[in-house]
Amino acid sequence: AQSVTQPDIHITVSEGASLELRCNYSYGATPYLFWYVQSPGQGLQLLLKYFSGDTLVQGIKGFEAEFKRSQSSFNLRKPSVHWSDAAEYFCAVGEGNQFYFGTGTSLTVIP
Amino acid sequence: EADIYQTPRYLVIGTGKKITLECSQTMGHDKMYWYQQDPGMELHLIHYSYGVNSTEKGDLSSESTVSRIRTEHFPLTLESARPSHTSQYLCASSPRQGANNSPLHFGNGTRLTVT
Repeated sequence: AQSVTQPDIHITVSEGASLELRCNYSYGATPYLFWYVQSPGQGLQLLLKYFSGDTLVQGIKGFEAEFKRSQSSFNLRKPSVHWSDAAEYFCAVGEGNQFYFGTGTSLTVIP
Repeated sequence: EADIYQTPRYLVIGTGKKITLECSQTMGHDKMYWYQQDPGMELHLIHYSYGVNSTEKGDLSSESTVSRIRTEHFPLTLESARPSHTSQYLCASSPRQGANNSPLHFGNGTRLTVT
C-alpha cells in the first residue's frame, strides 16, 4: 500500500517568515500528489495538485510545491506566511480511485 | 468552491442509538467518499462509491453502512453508536471523468460525540 509521511507534527513560524512543510511518499510509479489545508471546524480545501509536467506547481493563497522524484518528496512552500495561514496541512497521494493521506502538520503563526 | 454539504455539523448521542450522517453534493460528481478523522492521524477511508447503486468498503467499514440511491446523496449510518465512534466524519466527492485522480472536494464535516 502507498504511504505518505509528514515528518513534522507541528511547526511554528513568525508572520512574514518563509515556510516549508515536508512530505514524503512511497509509490512505484509517478504519483498524483496533493496538498490540502484544514482550518478548525472545517473540511479540507485543496491548495494545489501535481499530476505531471512541470515539477514546480503553483497553488492558491501563494503556496507552491515542488515534486522531486529522486527524493520521493513533494514539499510545500510559501515565501511569506500570513497569520491566516495558521491551520492543519495534509499531503496526499492518489492512486486509481484511492487517496492516501499523511497525518498532517499543524502550523502556528506568531506575530 | 466545492458544493458539498454535511449535516448535522455537530451531534451528541447516547450509546446504542442509530444515527445517519447526511452528505449531499450539487456538482454531479460520480465518486463519493466517507473518511474518519482523528487528531494526529491520517484520514481513514470508511466507504466509497463510484456511482448510483455502487458502494465499496474501506478500512473502517465494519460498523457502518452507506447507500447511493441518488448521485447527489451518500448517507452514512451507524446502526448502534459506541463511544469509540466519537470522531470527525468527512464526506468528499470527485468527478469520474478525466484523470482517475481528480482532487477530492470535502464537506465541512460532522463532529460526532457518543456518550
